[in-house]
Amino acid sequence: AQTVTQSQPEMSVQEAETVTLSCTYDTSESDYYLFWYKQPPSRQMILVIRQEAYKQQNATENRFSVNFQKAAKSFSLKISDSQLGDAAMYFCAYRSAGPGAQKLVFGQGTRLTINP
Amino acid sequence: DTGVSQNPRHKITKRGQNVTFRCDPISEHNRLYWYRQTLGQGPEFLTYFQNEAQLEKSRLLSDRFSAERPKGSFSTLEIQRTEQGDSAMYLCASSPRVYEQYFGPGTRLTVT
Repeated sequence: AQTVTQSQPEMSVQEAETVTLSCTYDTSESDYYLFWYKQPPSRQMILVIRQEAYKQQNATENRFSVNFQKAAKSFSLKISDSQLGDAAMYFCAYRSAGPGAQKLVFGQGTRLTINP
Repeated sequence: DTGVSQNPRHKITKRGQNVTFRCDPISEHNRLYWYRQTLGQGPEFLTYFQNEAQLEKSRLLSDRFSAERPKGSFSTLEIQRTEQGDSAMYLCASSPRVYEQYFGPGTRLTVT
């Protein structure tokens, strides 16, 4: 079974600075998807960024980018120019690309605090 | 597009009672998922529907849990004979494609 590990329960960063959240995963599969989701306090989970394992190029969405290291099974999220609205729980998630495999496997989450 | 909606948002029940939650997916999303999230943890998968067919169930979904999606539209999750360990946030998500899941706000269940 696949597992996802986020080793940083909490992180904090000064507004306008850059922060990197770590994620590692364990799988024997070669084709899969990786995601970062954001869950603001008392609000619903929002997809931040997606990476297909077959793509070597790291995904980027505005201020959010990933560092995908397939061999190391590492998938970190970099947030540039941090804003107060970035404060949230961030979850790393894995999804197999195999047939019938639909579920997301989530890590434990990292709580990100933005200091003004 | 009003997003995924879930009702009720909060439910307090006594141990042993039955509860039912409803999820309305984004219209035309044929895939629907249920997850459970306990405090301080990431969501855990419970079950998955494609249209009205329940195609995948987690071992977490004990005999006391049942989910339906009649006519491939809204879905219900019922918990019978609730236990204190059932206290959690129950999340619903829907998807138009294989790799994107859009989450609802969740139903927070407290079993006293």
